[in-house]
Amino acid sequence: QVQLVESGGGLVKPGGSLRLSCAASGFTFSDYYMSWIRQAPGKGLEWVSYISSSSTYTNYADSVKGRFTISRDNGKKTLYLQMTGLRAEDTAVYYCARATNERVFDYWGQGALVTVSS
Amino acid sequence: DIQMTQSPSSLSASVGGRVTITCRASQDISISLAWYQQRPGKAPKLLLYAASRLESGVPSRFRGSGSGTDYTLTISSLQPEDFATYYCQQYYSTRVTFGQGTKLEIK
Repeated sequence: QVQLVESGGGLVKPGGSLRLSCAASGFTFSDYYMSWIRQAPGKGLEWVSYISSSSTYTNYADSVKGRFTISRDNGKKTLYLQMTGLRAEDTAVYYCARATNERVFDYWGQGALVTVSS
Repeated sequence: DIQMTQSPSSLSASVGGRVTITCRASQDISISLAWYQQRPGKAPKLLLYAASRLESGVPSRFRGSGSGTDYTLTISSLQPEDFATYYCQQYYSTRVTFGQGTKLEIK
């Protein structure tokens, strides 16, 4: 069955960096676009970024552009999100999700909590 | 970015009842709309896409409809496990956006 498992979350100071990973299994990872979506505590869902199956194409929300970088390693079946210049408003649970061709998110990981605080 | 507005933000209903949630887009999204269910402490789950197509394994009591800018999610014969928060999402634009969510509570 499809599984997505995030790791790398934690507490970081404002201005700091963190890298999230998402290990995929149960499907042909290299066939799918992948995405990061976040949810601040008690708030709704916010799309962060996605990457095409061969890493040719990436896109970012304005709120993270220039600070976050999405990447993937198809050999390791792993998705990454490198986060730099972190701000308090980046505090959220970060989900990785598999995207269909139409950018519908059909499988989600359990989420990784990132807390930005001094 | 396309703005998605859900209403109501919360509602209460009884087991066995029926509810309707509305999602309005700031422009025509040509049925490029998905609905997700999120239970407390869990990841969202895809329910429907293309406004009315049921994802595999989702019960038929979930029904979606709409076109243009206005869409609805109707849940019939409410079960205890249906009490959760529901989100719409447009994927017409490459920069997808979600509605703010509708929390469904037990009356």
